[in-house]
Amino acid sequence: AQSVTQLGSHVSVSEGALVLLRCNYSSSVPPYLFWYVQYPNQGLQLLLKYTSAATLVKGINGFEAEFKKSETSFHLTKPSAHMSDAAEYFCAVSHQAGTALIFGKGTTLSVSS
Amino acid sequence: DAGVIQSPRHEVTEMGQEVTLRCKPISGHNSLFWYRQTMMRGLELLIYFNNNVPIDDSGMPEDRFSAKMPNASFSTLKIQPSEPRDSAVYFCASSSRTGGYYEQYFGPGTRLTVT
Repeated sequence: AQSVTQLGSHVSVSEGALVLLRCNYSSSVPPYLFWYVQYPNQGLQLLLKYTSAATLVKGINGFEAEFKKSETSFHLTKPSAHMSDAAEYFCAVSHQAGTALIFGKGTTLSVSS
Repeated sequence: DAGVIQSPRHEVTEMGQEVTLRCKPISGHNSLFWYRQTMMRGLELLIYFNNNVPIDDSGMPEDRFSAKMPNASFSTLKIQPSEPRDSAVYFCASSSRTGGYYEQYFGPGTRLTVT
């Protein structure tokens, strides 16, 4: 069965600092991996996805993630945090294209000036 | 495109009442998902449809919950009777094959409060 673990329910960074949000997955087959962002009182917006085409995936708003099979990880990074990045971030996995997503518990990112 | 549309955005009801949540997927999408978000359990799948047919309803909590998709542009999630523990944000998402992979697009959610 697939599962996702997000390390750290809350991450705080200063504006301009590196953002690193951790995600480890468990899957018996090559997974499809996703990062979503949720702003307060809104739905989820797709940041980026891994679909086996390339291990380094670039997404919107300057975010990127690297798929590391040996570490079963798909960590999300951004070189320089902006105040507008403050939100909750979810890592998700599906074992087959088109099937339901299994989400991690989420990481709340706070950005201070 | 208007995106996934959900109604109502907020619903407050009393225990025992029937609640119906509605979803209009993005035109042309053939998969529709209902998720529930709570503080305790996070985001979890309730049910999903492919081409209007339910594929996986293993996440539906109990018989009080039912979901239908009578056509490609409309789905409902019904709770009867509602209980306080059903209080949550309910999201609808839709997807279709884009470039060979399925991206799910989420609606804004319905915040349900059962008193």
